[in-house]
Amino acid sequence: EDQVTQSPEALRLQEGESSSLNCSYTVSGLRGLFWYRQDPGKGPEFLFTLYSAGEEKEKERLKATLTKKESFLHITAPKPEDSATYLCAVQGGSTLTFGKGTMLLVSP
Amino acid sequence: GAGVSQSPSNKVTEKGKDVELRCDPISGHTALYWYRQSLGQGLEFLIYFQGNSAPDKSGLPSDRFSAERTGGSVSTLTIQRTQQEDSAVYLCASSSGADYNQPQHFGDGTRLSIL
Repeated sequence: EDQVTQSPEALRLQEGESSSLNCSYTVSGLRGLFWYRQDPGKGPEFLFTLYSAGEEKEKERLKATLTKKESFLHITAPKPEDSATYLCAVQGGSTLTFGKGTMLLVSP
Repeated sequence: GAGVSQSPSNKVTEKGKDVELRCDPISGHTALYWYRQSLGQGLEFLIYFQGNSAPDKSGLPSDRFSAERTGGSVSTLTIQRTQQEDSAVYLCASSSGADYNQPQHFGDGTRLSIL
């Protein structure tokens, strides 16, 4: 059974204070690891797909990395508008298995 | 282009009633997925469609839940004899092609409250 564990559950940062979110996973045959952002009352918004260990993807202040057991979402110099819940998901078969997310709050 | 559209956005109903939730996927997307998101829980997979067929129904929690997809487009999730534990946000997603590793794009969900 595929499993995803995200940590921390919640993270509070000051604007400009860089940090990382962790996603640990177990999956039989990784087809892809996905990062999403979810704002309150909205559906998850796709950010990145990573397919193999060593791969990295960047978008604005976000950078996602992947190893054989975990993925990190690095947030550099965050702004208040980066506040959201960040979800990690793995695809082993036809469906995604999601973690419970990390709720990020960035204060000005 | 238009994203995934779900309706209604909110639904309040009495225990024991049947409800229908609708999903309009992104045009041209052949794969469609239903998930449930409860407070404090992660997204829970319910059912997956490829075209009009559902090769994976393993996440449906009971036989009160069913879903169909017609014309390779719109999908309806039906919950019969609703129970209070069915209260949750029901999310629909679609993706392009037959490759399982294509990103899924989500609608904003239907918030279902059972009184």
